[in-house]
Amino acid sequence: AQKITQTQPGMFVQEKEAVTLDCTYDTSDQSYGLFWYKQPSSGEMIFLIYQGSYDEQNATEGRYSLNFQKARKSANLVISASQLGDSAMYFCAMILTQGGSEKLVFGKGTKLTVNP
Amino acid sequence: KAGVTQTPRYLIKTRGQQVTLSCSPISGHRSVSWYQQTPGQGLQFLFEYFSETQRNKGNFPGRFSGRQFSNSRSEMNVSTLELGDSALYLCASSYTGIGGYTFGSGTRLTVV
Repeated sequence: AQKITQTQPGMFVQEKEAVTLDCTYDTSDQSYGLFWYKQPSSGEMIFLIYQGSYDEQNATEGRYSLNFQKARKSANLVISASQLGDSAMYFCAMILTQGGSEKLVFGKGTKLTVNP
Repeated sequence: KAGVTQTPRYLIKTRGQQVTLSCSPISGHRSVSWYQQTPGQGLQFLFEYFSETQRNKGNFPGRFSGRQFSNSRSEMNVSTLELGDSALYLCASSYTGIGGYTFGSGTRLTVV
């Protein structure tokens, strides 16, 4: 069964420093997709970055980059130059395909706190 | 363009009642998925609708149901509410249901 593991319940980082949020996944599929979402206290899930299993380059979106290590089944999120507004819950997710439909399988999340 | 709109934002219901939550997807998106988020179980998939048809359903009791209208707007219904149904209910829309999901701000349901 597909599973996402986020081992860091909480992380702290100083403003302007970089931080890495860990994500490991388990799947027997050859083709899969991995997402990172940010969830502020307001509740909305905000898409940050996507990595496809066949993408040769690590995905980047502004200050966000995904450190994709396929052999180790890890997809860590790196946030550079942290800002106070980055304080939020962060979720790693994988697409699970079932009979022509898809659903997202989420990890438990990491609460990131950025200190001034 | 307008995002995914969920109404209401907050809801308080009594055990045994039923509730209906609404989700209006991004214009042109035909797939709507629903997720339940609780502190204990995290984010769990409820169901997905595409062009008014339920394509996928998560492992939830029959008290949880949904539907999608011809304009792609979706509703989910929970009957005979239990305390454990207290959660944030998130809706996500996409054009095909294949990646590219946009989430709404959620409906926070409290059952007392």
